[in-house]
Amino acid sequence: GESVGLHLPTLSVQEGDNSIINCAYSNSASDYFIWYKQESGKGPQFIIDIRSNMDKRQGQRVTVLLNKTVKHLSLQIAATQPGDSAVYFCAETHYSGYSTLTFGKGTMLLVSP
Amino acid sequence: EPEVTQTPSHQVTQMGQEVILRCVPISNHLYFYWYRQILGQKVEFLVSFYNNEISEKSEIFDDQFSVERPDGSNFTLKIRSTKLEDSAMYFCASRGTDQETQYFGPGTRLLVL
Repeated sequence: GESVGLHLPTLSVQEGDNSIINCAYSNSASDYFIWYKQESGKGPQFIIDIRSNMDKRQGQRVTVLLNKTVKHLSLQIAATQPGDSAVYFCAETHYSGYSTLTFGKGTMLLVSP
Repeated sequence: EPEVTQTPSHQVTQMGQEVILRCVPISNHLYFYWYRQILGQKVEFLVSFYNNEISEKSEIFDDQFSVERPDGSNFTLKIRSTKLEDSAMYFCASRGTDQETQYFGPGTRLLVL
């Protein structure tokens, strides 16, 4: 079946480093992708999104890259801070009005001071 | 900033009992969702709701589950006869008509004994 998956379950970085979290998706019909951050005991928090007609989108310290050719999505976090420590999920959907999200497994980002 | 809220934050119940999980979506949103997350696993879609009816549901959302919008602000998920495997975090999400992003509540942790 269609699925969204992540390559790395855990990523450990030092404070100030740049972090890159990857995600592979398999549903070619997906046209909208979102990165969520989930801290322990909390709900997913929206970070950044990208439509399939874009390759790159930047936010504050975060950048999402979309490579539709290989169905790959990445989240780049610049100057990673201890407060960035969390599980990061990519999610995909085909925008049809209801837009059910399919989530990947998640990557744990650990930032050491 | 508007938020999705959920009550209770934690619920412990005996197998076979009915539980109702409550959500207050963001006030001007019209699309509502329930997702669940079993400990250590990815977030899974359960059901979407629009215009007072279910628009999509997953295989997980069997006859034991139901959703309701009893008034203009609440959105509920009912599990009629809970099973051990229903133990999970349950997240409510909502979305506006002019946006694709779903905003998640903090979740209800359900433990079935």
